[in-house]
Amino acid sequence: AQSVTQLGSHVSVSEGALVLLRCNYSSSVPPYLFWYVQYPNQGLQLLLKYTSAATLVKGINGFEAEFKKSETSFHLTKPSAHMSDAAEYFCAVSEPQGGKLIFGQGTELSVKP
Amino acid sequence: GAGVSQTPSNKVTEKGKYVELRCDPISGHTALYWYRQSLGQGPEFLIYFQGTGAADDSGLPNDRFFAVRPEGSVSTLKIQRTERGDSAVYLCASSSSLGTAYNEQFFGPGTRLTVL
Repeated sequence: AQSVTQLGSHVSVSEGALVLLRCNYSSSVPPYLFWYVQYPNQGLQLLLKYTSAATLVKGINGFEAEFKKSETSFHLTKPSAHMSDAAEYFCAVSEPQGGKLIFGQGTELSVKP
Repeated sequence: GAGVSQTPSNKVTEKGKYVELRCDPISGHTALYWYRQSLGQGPEFLIYFQGTGAADDSGLPNDRFFAVRPEGSVSTLKIQRTERGDSAVYLCASSSSLGTAYNEQFFGPGTRLTVL
C-alpha cells in the first residue's frame, strides 16, 4: 500500500523567506506525486504534479518540487513567501492501477508580515 | 459553470437520519471520485466511478455508505443512519481520463456535513 507523510503540521515563515514543506512517500512502484493547496472554505487546487518525466517540477504561483527517489521525497519549495501563500498544503500519491489519491495529513502554512 | 459543483454546501442532520450529497462533475469527465475530509486531516478516499460503474469502492467505511452515478455524470453519495462520526467535509472530484493515474483531479468546494 502507498502512503504519504508530511513532516510538520504547521509551518510559519516571514514574508519573503524561503518556503519548504516536506513530503515523504512510500511506494513499491514508481509513484505519481502531487501537491494541492486548499484555501479556507475552498476546494483543493493542484499546484504541481510529478509523472515520471523531469524530476524538478514547476507549478503555479512560483512553487516547485523535486522528486528524489533515493530519499523517497517530494518536498515543495518557493524562494520567497507571499502573504497570499497562507493556506493548507497537501501532498498526495497516486496508485498506478487507479486514479485515487492518497493524501498526507496536510501542512498549514502561515506567513508573517 | 466550468468547475465541479456540490450541493448542498452545508448539511446539518440528526443522528440516525438519512442524507444525500450531490456532485456535478465537469462536463465530459468520465472519472468521478468521492473523498471525506475530517477536521485537521487530509482527504480520505471513499469511492471512484468510471462512467456509471464503481471502479473502486474500497474506501467506503461500512454499508451505511452508498454512492450512485446512474447516467455517468451526476453522482449522489448516500448515508443511512447517520452517526456523529460521519461529520466531515465530503469532497467530490472529477478527471477527464479513464482513471489514468497522472491526470489532474478537479475538486469541488465540498459539502460540510454535521451530525448532531
